[in-house]
Amino acid sequence: GIQVEQSPPDLILQEGANSTLRCNFSDSVNNLQWFHQNPWGQLINLFYIPSGTKQNGRLSATTVATERYSLLYISSSQTTDSGVYFCAVGYTGANSKLTFGKGITLSVRP
Amino acid sequence: DAGITQSPRHKVTETGTPVTLRCHQTENHRYMYWYRQDPGHGLRLIHYSYGVKDTDKGEVSDGYSVSRSKTEDFLLTLESATSSQTSVYFCAISERTGGSSGNTIYFGEGSWLTVV
Repeated sequence: GIQVEQSPPDLILQEGANSTLRCNFSDSVNNLQWFHQNPWGQLINLFYIPSGTKQNGRLSATTVATERYSLLYISSSQTTDSGVYFCAVGYTGANSKLTFGKGITLSVRP
Repeated sequence: DAGITQSPRHKVTETGTPVTLRCHQTENHRYMYWYRQDPGHGLRLIHYSYGVKDTDKGEVSDGYSVSRSKTEDFLLTLESATSSQTSVYFCAISERTGGSSGNTIYFGEGSWLTVV
């Protein structure tokens, strides 16, 4: 199956700092999504980004499918950004399903 | 709000008893999934469905069965619960669409299951 590796596994930031989270994957995929799990366990979809770049407020993501990696950028971090960030990859189509990385735990300190 | 409801949200059960978790959606999406989340493993796919009565296994399907008799409901059953099935279970939905949203997946709020 597809292998997904996220780095770094843990990240501690001071409020206001910027960060880059990385996702490497082992196969050519056409479905890649980033999720944020808040401290209460809720999973929120941040981006559907199989290729290219997207931005949503302070967050942006870039996927270079040919090189099998994706980056999630968080600018001017806030304490509410704390939680676990998951990258998930897979394929679209009749049997669409995603394989998740183990996540990056982000702690933003005031 | 993706219109996903999981029930029960919390359950404690004894080893060997059957347990059914329910996922209900109001969006009429075709695809539904059950994942489990455990420390150090991230989220792992148990079973998924791509239509009514169309289901398939994921990577950790042993000990679990599913049923989907209506578009809106996807049931996960533990026939005989074991302590290794203590976990947080997430239901998710998606729909194939064109454009920039593609197969975006939305999760329910999770069901915490403890098998004692």
